[in-house]
Amino acid sequence: SQELEQSPQSLIVQEGKNLTINCTSSKTLYGLYWYKQKYGEGLIFLMMLQKGGEEKSHEKITAKLDEKKQQSSLHITASQPSHAGIYLCGADTGGSNYKLTFGKGTLLTVNP
Amino acid sequence: SQTIHQWPATLVQPVGSPLSLECTVEGTSNPNLYWYRQAAGRGLQLLFYSVGIGQISSEVPQNLSASRPQDRQFILSSKKLLLSDSGFYLCAWTGTGPVYTFGSGTRLTVV
Repeated sequence: SQELEQSPQSLIVQEGKNLTINCTSSKTLYGLYWYKQKYGEGLIFLMMLQKGGEEKSHEKITAKLDEKKQQSSLHITASQPSHAGIYLCGADTGGSNYKLTFGKGTLLTVNP
Repeated sequence: SQTIHQWPATLVQPVGSPLSLECTVEGTSNPNLYWYRQAAGRGLQLLFYSVGIGQISSEVPQNLSASRPQDRQFILSSKKLLLSDSGFYLCAWTGTGPVYTFGSGTRLTVV
């Protein structure tokens, strides 16, 4: 089965600082998904990456998928308290049922 | 527009009691439906998924079962809860594309 390793497990940054969260797979990724979760709430979709070398941005968040499609990074520029939460990467295991395997998440705290 | 409803939001149940969590989707037809559990420090674990009415695939052997009596209804059940069933349960759906839309979750505490 596919396993995703996320690092770091938790991160505390000062408001305005940049940060990066990584997601690594032992297998080639058919699709890589980034979600954000506030504690006790559902997951909010951020971005999906499917092609090697692909990069997508939304507001101050940029996600990249490496050429080998085994590692992805999520970069936040000039962090704000609203960025705080748990960031999870999910990987498509292939096939038509869209079963996603998720990493354990990265807890981000942004101090004002 | 499509929406997903999940209830209840929180639930405290004694060990050995039954469980029924419900999830419904609006604004779409024939969605793929999923139940995930999120336990502390263990990330999201896929429990069940369904590609159609009455079609349930189980990912992890456990004390839980799932049913899909209607196209847009997905139910997670247990006959007798265990302490280890505690966690945050999330329902999700996909349509023609792979992007998951999640419900707001149910926090289950078994005491």
